[in-house]
This record gives sequence, structure tokens and C-alpha cells, in this order.
Amino acid sequence: ETGVTQTPRHLVMGMTNKKSLKCEQHLGHNAMYWYKQSAKKPLELMFVYSLEERVENNSVPSRFSPECPNSSHLFLHLHTLQPEDSALYLCASRSSGRAGTDTQYFGPGTRLTVL
Amino acid sequence: LAKTTQPISMDSYEGQEVNITCSHNNIATNDYITWYQQFPSQGPRFIIQGYKTKVTNEVASLFIPADRKSSTLSLPRVSLSDTAVYYCLVGDSFSNDYKLSFGAGTTVTVRA
Repeated sequence: ETGVTQTPRHLVMGMTNKKSLKCEQHLGHNAMYWYKQSAKKPLELMFVYSLEERVENNSVPSRFSPECPNSSHLFLHLHTLQPEDSALYLCASRSSGRAGTDTQYFGPGTRLTVL
Repeated sequence: LAKTTQPISMDSYEGQEVNITCSHNNIATNDYITWYQQFPSQGPRFIIQGYKTKVTNEVASLFIPADRKSSTLSLPRVSLSDTAVYYCLVGDSFSNDYKLSFGAGTTVTVRA
């Protein structure tokens, strides 16, 4: 247990569905991240929120929409996905601004399958 | 972001020491070096972090030469459960919009 939880752990959805992934941390961290990891590929950074403001959007398609209502919660809203979006979606958090604290704590991930 | 280079894969046997070297020639003054471990279908897990010289914890040791252009993660007496992908990352932890760039990592396979 890293202190970062993600729900659901597994999700199967059709291309016309709308679903949301949830991430929660109670570590007192002020930065949260969404990553995508496709099979046998490196992690791809999708979004970064620092102090609840989005600071990074790595050219992610608009069918992925992040939301960070507070420093403990992060959502990834999904709509009209494509089969190639099937992947492991990982959430991470960290405490920014202090020396040696670039440790990111990752959640267990959501395994997403788009049919 | 400082670019890192590490071997794609390494094989070892139980009980041996595994050393993975990472090159980061353009590391910046404020950058720390961090290593993560990832098992299949799980999120990466922090192993160790250092700035210079040597750092040791209950899991591994990290050796960083004076020029900091490379670092070596040392896993003592590996077991089958150490089979995983190991990532070397460098970054400035003072930056509020801090981002880590995960490369392909090193796939370590431990055999009986």
C-alpha cells in the first residue's frame, strides 16, 4: 500500500460509453499525475496537477478530460474512447518543492479495456 | 529534463548481486537521481534516491561518482521476486511543475 488508491481496478467499456477513473491520496501531497502505460511500452505522462492547477497536458486527446477538485482527489473522465486507448492508467502523487522529495507514490492502476 | 540511458535488459541468478548503470550526462545541479521498480500490471515503486556519493537502504545501494554523469543501482543477493523493470530518473525536486520522464527501463530477470 502506497497511500494512493485508484478505482475501479478494472474497467471494460464500449467506444460510446462515458466513464471516470478516480484517484485518491491522503499523504498530504500537493501534486498529482496521470500516466498511461500500454502493453510493453514506457509510461507516458498525460497530465500533471500542482496545487490543484493543471501544469502539464502532454498533447493528450480531448477524449481524456482530467479534473482535480482538491489536493486529495484526481479524476480522469473518459468519453468516446478508441480500442488503442486500452492500457493501464496510473495515478501518482508527490509533495513538491522540497529537496529530495521527487518521490512519486503510485496507485495500483486501472486496467482499461475499450471494446 | 535530463535524458537517461540504461540497458534494456539484464539476466541474473538467485543470490547474485545485480548492478544496473544509468548514464545521465546532462544532469543539472539541482537534479536528484531516483530509481523505481515496477512489477507487471502495477505502478512503479520508489526504491532509492541520491544526489552524490553513496546511499544505502534496506533494499538497495546507489553509487554516484563525483561528476554525477552516471549512477549505479546495486541489488544485493537477488531473489526471483526481484524480477521487474527498473527505471532510472533524474529531476529537479524544487520545481513545482516537476515531471519525471520514464524511459524504457531495464528489465531484470532473475532465474533459479
